[in-house]
Amino acid sequence: EPEVTQTPSHQVTQMGQEVILRCVPISNHLYFYWYRQILGQKVEFLVSFYNNEISEKSEIFDDQFSVERPDGSNFTLKIRSTKLEDSAMYFCASRGYSNQPQHFGDGTRLSIL
Amino acid sequence: AQKVTQAQTEISVVEKEDVTLDCVYETRDTTYYLFWYKQPPSGELVFLIRRNSFDEQNEISGRYSWNFQKSTSSFNFTITASQVVDSAVYFCALDRDDKIIFGKGTRLHILP
Repeated sequence: EPEVTQTPSHQVTQMGQEVILRCVPISNHLYFYWYRQILGQKVEFLVSFYNNEISEKSEIFDDQFSVERPDGSNFTLKIRSTKLEDSAMYFCASRGYSNQPQHFGDGTRLSIL
Repeated sequence: AQKVTQAQTEISVVEKEDVTLDCVYETRDTTYYLFWYKQPPSGELVFLIRRNSFDEQNEISGRYSWNFQKSTSSFNFTITASQVVDSAVYFCALDRDDKIIFGKGTRLHILP
C-alpha cells in the first residue's frame, strides 16, 4: 500500500539555524498538510497546501515557517530560524480528493538545542 | 466552535479487562468525519477508523469496537480483552474544512 514518507526520522539542530523537513506524499495525491505535536501534547494543524499554494494556515504557522513543493514528488516544511519551542514531532499528510482520508507519515522528530 | 474533548487523560487497566475511551466532539457541520488514531511509544500515528457523520452504525473490528451517537456528539472506543500491546496514546479527531482537529489524547496503560 502506498505511504507517505518523511525524512529524516530525527533531526537535531542548533537554535537559530534553518531546518528543512522533507515529505514525499502519496503519488497522485493533491492535498498536502503539516501538523505538529509538542512532546506530550495533542497533534496540531499547521498548514494545508493545494494547487501550489497555501489553502489555510494556523496561528502557529508564522513568518518563520514556509512550505514548498519544489518538484512533483516532495513537499517540504522550512523553519527559518529555529527556536527551542520548535522542538516537536512534525507530521506530513496527504490526500487524494477532499472527501478522502488524510494519510500520515511516520513523523520527523525535531530537537532544537 | 470545532472541538474534540477526551476527558480521560490517563487510564490504567489490568490485561484482559475491557476499557472504553470517551470522545465528545463539537461541530456545526452536518457532514464531517470522525477518527481514532493510536500513537505507540515509537511516535507514529496509526489509523484505526474513520466514520462518516451519516453512518451511525456501530463498528467492530476484532477486539476493537466504536459507538457513534450523534445525539450526544460522542464517538467512544472500546477495547475488549485488552493486551499489553494496546498500551499507547489514543487520539480522537474530527475532520472538517480541510484540516483534522485532534483531541488531547488518552494515555492507556495495560498492566500485565
